[in-house]
Amino acid sequence: DGGITQSPKYLFRKEGQNVTLSCEQNLNHDAMYWYRQDPGQGLRLIYYSQIVNDFQKGDIAEGYSVSREKKESFPLTVTSAQKNPTAFYLCASSSSGPEKLFFGSGTQLSVL
Amino acid sequence: GQQLNQSPQSMFIQEGEDVSMNCTSSSIFNTWLWYKQDPGEGPVLLIALYKAGELTSNGRLTAQFGITRKDSFLNISASIPSDVGIYFCAGHTPRGGSEKLVFGKGTKLTVNP
Repeated sequence: DGGITQSPKYLFRKEGQNVTLSCEQNLNHDAMYWYRQDPGQGLRLIYYSQIVNDFQKGDIAEGYSVSREKKESFPLTVTSAQKNPTAFYLCASSSSGPEKLFFGSGTQLSVL
Repeated sequence: GQQLNQSPQSMFIQEGEDVSMNCTSSSIFNTWLWYKQDPGEGPVLLIALYKAGELTSNGRLTAQFGITRKDSFLNISASIPSDVGIYFCAGHTPRGGSEKLVFGKGTKLTVNP
């Protein structure tokens, strides 16, 4: 079955550590997105990529980095510069722009 | 930046009741979407609206694209326990190639059996 897979489901980060969240899709979608969700808040866009080897900053890109070396994969690195990383991170993909996003099941990142 | 005001923030209802929630914006959108998020999962698209005045149904769900293009509502009829979750509205207007959706903060729905 086609879908979008995020791993791990839960991740813990130590102070000063970089961590990478995985996102893989087999839907053959060109566009991929990373969102951050905090309790009681809407989804905020971190980065997005419309094509391989290209990506754009979203509204809250500071402290994060991404790569898009393959169409299927769009990993997100939460760097030590992100001082408040605890959140639920959602990856999404789309074949037709952001109007119809397919989301993964998310990664909960917490700080030790 | 663009913001969506979604209300109510939370709802507690009895099974069988109808539910109504809405989103308003100071900006015009070309597309309105409604998503549902189950606890610990990613949102799932429920309904997409593309035309002002459009009324679209998906089973017990009905959503409308406001005439002014600045609002949308979602109705759920005869609620059941599996309707529990957070409902998000989202709006989109292409601007200079922008690929951004604007999300509301969500309406948390609790259904008592």
